[in-house]
Amino acid sequence: GENVEQHPSTLSVQEGDSAVIKCTYSDSASNYFPWYKQELGKRPQLIIDIRSNVGEKKDQRIAVTLNKTAKHFSLHITETQPEDSAVYFCAATLKSGGYQKVTFGTGTKLQVIP
Amino acid sequence: DTEVTQTPKHLVMGMTNKKSLKCEQHMGHRAMYWYKQKAKKPPELMFVYSYEKLSINESVPSRFSPECPNSSLLNLHLHALQPEDSALYLCASSALVTGGGQSVHFGNGTRLTVT
Repeated sequence: GENVEQHPSTLSVQEGDSAVIKCTYSDSASNYFPWYKQELGKRPQLIIDIRSNVGEKKDQRIAVTLNKTAKHFSLHITETQPEDSAVYFCAATLKSGGYQKVTFGTGTKLQVIP
Repeated sequence: DTEVTQTPKHLVMGMTNKKSLKCEQHMGHRAMYWYKQKAKKPPELMFVYSYEKLSINESVPSRFSPECPNSSLLNLHLHALQPEDSALYLCASSALVTGGGQSVHFGNGTRLTVT
């Protein structure tokens, strides 16, 4: 089955600096890679995603890159703000029969220091 | 605001109680999921319903019993739970379309405490 590794497990940055979270996956059949942000006590919320036929996607201060050959994908947050503090989960997804088979990374706790 | 609605938000129950968690979505999604999430861990898949039929049961103990009354509703019936079952229970849904993967949309969850 699919295995997703995520690094680092914790990340502290100064406000205004950039943050990068990296993930690797094992199953080349995975073709959709969402990133979820989860604030304390709240639900995981989709913040950006990328499909396997795309190398990079950007949405304001957030960008995701995908290297399908190396099976790596990364989340980049620029100009970090205190409200970016949360746990971030990467995931690798493929459609399996009648549902989406989602394998999550282990999570990165991001702390943005004002 | 969320498009997947879960009730209740919080639930405290004893080990002999019977309770139910409820989930509703109106996005027309035909796949619905129950996940369990422990603190500082990613969500862990429990059950999947596809077109109102149970597709996946990830070896979940029988004290958890899912039900899908229609395409918009999903329930999780709880009976004789253990303290280690205390967790955040997340309902989710996704579209079923041809082609590649789709995002899974989570509800706000039910924070369950078993005493």
